[in-house]
Amino acid sequence: SQQGEEDPQALSIQEGENATMNCSYKTSINNLQWYRQNSGRGLVHLILIRSNEREKHSGRLRVTLDTSKKSSSLLITASRAADTASYFCATATFFGNEKLTFGTGTRLTIIP
Amino acid sequence: DAGVIQSPRHEVTEMGQEVTLRCKPISGHDYLFWYRQTMMRGLELLIYFNNNVPIDDSGMPEDRFSAKMPNASFSTLKIQPSEPRDSAVYFCASSFWTGGRYEQYFGPGTRLTVT
Repeated sequence: SQQGEEDPQALSIQEGENATMNCSYKTSINNLQWYRQNSGRGLVHLILIRSNEREKHSGRLRVTLDTSKKSSSLLITASRAADTASYFCATATFFGNEKLTFGTGTRLTIIP
Repeated sequence: DAGVIQSPRHEVTEMGQEVTLRCKPISGHDYLFWYRQTMMRGLELLIYFNNNVPIDDSGMPEDRFSAKMPNASFSTLKIQPSEPRDSAVYFCASSFWTGGRYEQYFGPGTRLTVT
């Protein structure tokens, strides 16, 4: 079964707006990662947040983690057409944390 | 670095045929992962290796699937005999986990169609 469940499943916004995607998971984690997948391509790592961190930034990306609620959010600010892709969260547990369990993904469409 | 390399990019085969997918990880990476992606089941981890040794193959669907990693720069995923339900995109990924780099680097995938 999927460890992570993204919400919403699909999101369409106007270029320039902010996009927020959420991820919920079930078990305790060592770290949580977000990946992007463009149509027909492999996944690309965006950002990693460790279980003892609450917020992390990378360029236009902001990730938050709430371990008490077992949830994370990914915010993309000032969206661009090139941000159109599917976004996945992936979790690593404390044991066997070299492997990741991926969520179901959010399909983001940026309307020019 | 060229990144993770997979071949072929597309494979169309008939049911019952043997299929071999190939992967070259990023040089220096110590972990290699094989995933399968379908619309119905999402991204599933099939098997992963550490320093060429299989660590967890619990995701391999059945005995028709096998994977090997004869050296640090090459891995294969074999399906014999193939069935239409094996149609999916198969990804290989590698990481330098021991070096404290937990992110995985994915190849472009092999789109397998079994008719």
